[in-house]
Amino acid sequence: DGGITQSPKYLFRKEGQNVTLSCEQNLNHDAMYWYRQDPGQGLRLIYYSQIVNDFQKGDIAEGYSVSREKKESFPLTVTSAQKNPTAFYLCASSAASGSYEQYFGPGTRLTVT
Amino acid sequence: GNSVTQMEGPVTLSEEAFLTINCTYTATGYPSLFWYVQYPGEGLQLLLKATKADDKGSNKGFEATYRKETTSFHLEKGSVQVSDSAVYFCALRVYRGATNKLIFGTGTLLAVQP
Repeated sequence: DGGITQSPKYLFRKEGQNVTLSCEQNLNHDAMYWYRQDPGQGLRLIYYSQIVNDFQKGDIAEGYSVSREKKESFPLTVTSAQKNPTAFYLCASSAASGSYEQYFGPGTRLTVT
Repeated sequence: GNSVTQMEGPVTLSEEAFLTINCTYTATGYPSLFWYVQYPGEGLQLLLKATKADDKGSNKGFEATYRKETTSFHLEKGSVQVSDSAVYFCALRVYRGATNKLIFGTGTLLAVQP
């Protein structure tokens, strides 16, 4: 089955530690995205990538970093510089042409204490 | 700028009631409009979409019509079920070259009681 996988589903870290969230897709999509979801605030775009080895900052990129070395993978690192890292993180992908629908993974809930 | 405004929730309905969740947008250009649904603890699933004015998107009994004159894309369902309980997000996409950025509303929680 084609889809997007995110792992782990729940992640716990101590303050001051960097943590990397995994996102893999087998939809052969060129574009991938990371969103952050907080209660009552909808989804906010962190980073996106249109093609391999290229990515752009979204609306709330500070304290985050990404890489896109393979078409299938778009890992997100939450660094210690992120002031409020506890949130639900969603990865998505879309084709580079056509209807541009974005398909979402199941999400990772990160808790930093 | 581009933005989406949704009615605040929660919306609480009894089973078989009629549902309307309001969504209005502000956009430059000609946006495509989407409704996504998020079940508890899960990611978002595309529910329906419309790409031009007067288009009606429909899926699983839900409908929404792209109204350019009122800049609206209200979600409706004639008879809700308990299984429809979820958070619903309205979103827009404005074509800008190769960039495919979605702008989301804040979401509306729907709770359907038996």
